[in-house]
Amino acid sequence: SYELTQPSSVSVSPGQTARITCSGDVLAKKYARWFQQKPGQAPVLVIYKDSERPSGIPERFSGSSSGTTVTLTISGAQVEDEADYYCYSAADNNRVFGGGTKLTVL
Amino acid sequence: EVQLVESGGGLVQPGGSLRLSCAASGFTFSSYEMNWVRQAPGKGLEWVSYISSSGSTIYYADSVKGRFTISRDNAKNSLYLQMNSLRAEDTAVYYCASFDIWGQGTMVTVSS
Repeated sequence: SYELTQPSSVSVSPGQTARITCSGDVLAKKYARWFQQKPGQAPVLVIYKDSERPSGIPERFSGSSSGTTVTLTISGAQVEDEADYYCYSAADNNRVFGGGTKLTVL
Repeated sequence: EVQLVESGGGLVQPGGSLRLSCAASGFTFSSYEMNWVRQAPGKGLEWVSYISSSGSTIYYADSVKGRFTISRDNAKNSLYLQMNSLRAEDTAVYYCASFDIWGQGTMVTVSS
């Protein structure tokens, strides 16, 4: 099995750029997804295939990949972006979420 | 409306069994790979099990292997998770998800 490592928390002021990283050996050869989860709600997919954005997700959400690290970037973070964010990747029978990052926007 | 609705959660004693169901609507369920994902109270997301669109390929997390069984009925647009030999550490909200679509979850509590 493998692991994906995320920072436990990230804090920015409204309008600033938030960057959340996710590291793991599997990311060098497999795509990552990013999910946003607000308290009491189900997760929502915000990025897939490292950098693709599903329809309905604001353009301020973007993703990138370099080697064994993927990064979720929220450009001009808004108060409503405050949430937990999880990366995920899958390699055959090994599928894992990162530990999650709490994004605070205040 | 695209929707996944889980059911079957509840309180069960250690060593007991539960069967979770997930009803899909508003999309072509038979074309989608599906997963069960759980979240213990106050904790992060944990992938539990995967099943391919046809049901021919199945994977489990090590933490549930040998105790849980995933299945699907494409004719009924339904996904299932049979959970046996339940432990306190299986207590969590269980979500069915294709990852672009998620249900609202069903709570499973394992306690005496």
